[in-house]
Amino acid sequence: KQEVTQIPAALSVPEGENLVLNCSFTDSAIYNLQWFRQDPGKGLTSLLLIQSSQREQTSGRLNASLDKSSGRSTLYIAASQPGDSATYLCAVRPKGGSEKLVFGKGTKLTVNP
Amino acid sequence: GAVVSQHPSWVICKSGTSVKIECRSLDFQATTMFWYRQFPKQSLMLMATSNEGSKATYEQGVEKDKFLINHASLTLSTLTVTSAHPEDSSFYICSASSGNEQFFGPGTRLTVL
Repeated sequence: KQEVTQIPAALSVPEGENLVLNCSFTDSAIYNLQWFRQDPGKGLTSLLLIQSSQREQTSGRLNASLDKSSGRSTLYIAASQPGDSATYLCAVRPKGGSEKLVFGKGTKLTVNP
Repeated sequence: GAVVSQHPSWVICKSGTSVKIECRSLDFQATTMFWYRQFPKQSLMLMATSNEGSKATYEQGVEKDKFLINHASLTLSTLTVTSAHPEDSSFYICSASSGNEQFFGPGTRLTVL
C-alpha cells in the first residue's frame, strides 16, 4: 500500500528565506507526483506535476524534484514571501489503471514579514 | 489550468436532511471525477471515484447509501449526503480528471446542526 509522508508538518521562516519541503513515498511505482497548495478553508491549487520519467519541474520561484528510486520529492521555494503561507500537499498517482491520488498530510508553511 | 467549480461553497443544515453538492468542470470534459472529504488539520480522504454513465466506486468504509454520487454528464457530478448528521460535518472537495492530471474544486463546507 502506497503511503506518503511529508516532513516537517509545520515550518515557520522569515521572509526572503529559501526553503525546502520534503515528501517521501513508499512505493516507487508511480505514474506522477503533484505538489499542491491549500489556503485555509479553500480547495487545492496545483503547483507542479512531475511525470515519473522526469526529474524536476520549475515554475517561477518553485522547483520540484523527483527521485523515484529513493521515493523522494522536494519542493524548493526561493525568496519566500508572506503570500506563500499555506499548507503544501504532496500527492502521488500510483501506477496502474486507477487515477487515484495518495496524499501526504501536508506541511503548513508560515512566512513571517 | 482547467477550472472546476463546486456549489454551494458552504451549507448549514439540520440533522436528518439531505444535502446535494455539485461539481462541474467548466472548460473540459471529465470522464472521471473524485470526491474527497477533509477534516480539520487533516489531509484529503478519497471517498469515491465517479465515472460518467456508470456507478461510482466507493472506498472502503464509505457508505454508498449515505453518500449518493451521480455523474450524469461529462461536466457534472453530484454528491448527496443523505440524512445528514453532525458527524458528517466536514469539508468536501471534488476533482475532475483530464486523464493525466486532476483539477480540484474550491470545496464545500458542510455544517450539520
